[in-house]
Amino acid sequence: NAGVTQTPKFQVLKTGQSMTLQCAQDMNHNSMYWYRQDPGMGLRLIYYSASEGTTDKGEVPNGYNVSRLNKREFSLRLESAAPSQTSVYFCASLGVGLAVSYEQYFGPGTRLTVT
Amino acid sequence: AQSVTQPDIHITVSEGASLELRCNYSYGATPYLFWYVQSPGQGLQLLLKYFSGDTLVQGIKGFEAEFKRSQSSFNLRKPSVHWSDAAEYFCAVGPLSGGYNKLIFGAGTRLAVHP
Repeated sequence: NAGVTQTPKFQVLKTGQSMTLQCAQDMNHNSMYWYRQDPGMGLRLIYYSASEGTTDKGEVPNGYNVSRLNKREFSLRLESAAPSQTSVYFCASLGVGLAVSYEQYFGPGTRLTVT
Repeated sequence: AQSVTQPDIHITVSEGASLELRCNYSYGATPYLFWYVQSPGQGLQLLLKYFSGDTLVQGIKGFEAEFKRSQSSFNLRKPSVHWSDAAEYFCAVGPLSGGYNKLIFGAGTRLAVHP
């Protein structure tokens, strides 16, 4: 049971390049989330998926797109990277039967630098 | 608007000393409150959570937190800090009104432990 996994761990992009961050969970969770973490700002929600087949915007969605490929996988895409998207990105999931607890499980993060 | 404030950006304590990390929230209804810990280069791990009932909650690693509705606070405490507690600590509140399983995080408090 690996929990929440994210790939890649590190990435350097040039301005204007695109990339997809991958996230997968093996806990049969319904809900999945993408956050970014910036110094002094805590974690801010980019997008979330309440269940397979649905996605919705969070606090800071501009410049990002997401795909809930199936129940396990939730990817985050940067179509045209900008230096302002330099950050650490975390994926999280919330379990079936745990909806009333709102306990989110986090992946190890992807550190992205845009030059 | 809902918000979470962690007034202390950095705290340094000596090993064996007691610890209290402050968290204040603004929320329109009875909140669900969480404390997460992030070790360097790692994802977030849940320390403890409060939903209802006893206002003093116990968590992992010897941590506890007390919910004080009158002060809109949920401070984290530990009676004797270990060097391994050095990490960043995040307070979070949820769910958002009209939202779904979404959390708002504070900016974090970075804890350093002196030997």
